[in-house]
Amino acid sequence: GENVEQHPSTLSVQEGDSAVIKCTYSDSASNYFPWYKQELGKGPQLIIDIRSNVGEKKDQRIAVTLNKTAKHFSLHITETQPEDSAVYFCAASEGDYKLSFGAGTTVTVRA
Amino acid sequence: EAGVAQSPRYKIIEKRQSVAFWCNPISGHATLYWYQQILGQGPKLLIQFQNNGVVDDSQLPKDRFSAERLKGVDSTLKIQPAKLEDSAVYLCASSSRLQGPDQYFGPGTRLTVL
Repeated sequence: GENVEQHPSTLSVQEGDSAVIKCTYSDSASNYFPWYKQELGKGPQLIIDIRSNVGEKKDQRIAVTLNKTAKHFSLHITETQPEDSAVYFCAASEGDYKLSFGAGTTVTVRA
Repeated sequence: EAGVAQSPRYKIIEKRQSVAFWCNPISGHATLYWYQQILGQGPKLLIQFQNNGVVDDSQLPKDRFSAERLKGVDSTLKIQPAKLEDSAVYLCASSSRLQGPDQYFGPGTRLTVL
C-alpha cells in the first residue's frame, strides 16, 4: 500500500515568515494529493489539493508543488499569521481515492 | 450546506465494554469513510462505503469492529469489546465522486478506553 512520510514534525515560524512542509510517497500510481489543516478539537479541513497532471497550484497565501519523478510534494504558506497555527497533514491517493496520510506537522506561528 | 455530523463528541468507557458512533454525511454524498486517528498520528482509514455497499474494509479489525450504512445515508461504527488501544478519535468523512475526490471530515468522536 501507499506510504506517506512528512517532515518536519514540528515547525515554529515568526509571524510574516514562510512555512514549508514536505511529503514523500511510495506508490507511483498515486495521482491526488490533498492537504488538510486540523485545529484542536476539530476534524481535518481540506485547504488545497493537487492532481498529478499539475506541477504547482496556488490559492492566496498557500501553494503546493508536486514532483512526480521524485515522488514528493510540498506545502508553502507565505506571510504566516497566528491563525495558521495548527496541525497540517499531507495525503496521497490512487484512483479509488483511498487516502493515506502523513504523520502531521504542528505549525506554530509566533507573534 | 451542512457539514458532516458526528455524535457523540466524547465517550469514555471501560475495556471490554461496547460503544457505537454515528455519522451523518453531507447531503448527496454517496461515499462515506470512517478513520481512526490515534494521538499524534494521521488518520487511518478503517472502512469505505459507496452508497450502502462496502468498498474497502481491509484495515478494519473485524473481530471487534463493525460498521453499517443501511440506507446509504447515515452510518454507525461499533466496537465490541473495546481495548485500551482503541482510544483514539474516530473521524467520519464523505465525498461526492461526481464532484471529485475531495473528502470532507466531521468533528470526530474522541473515545477513551479505561
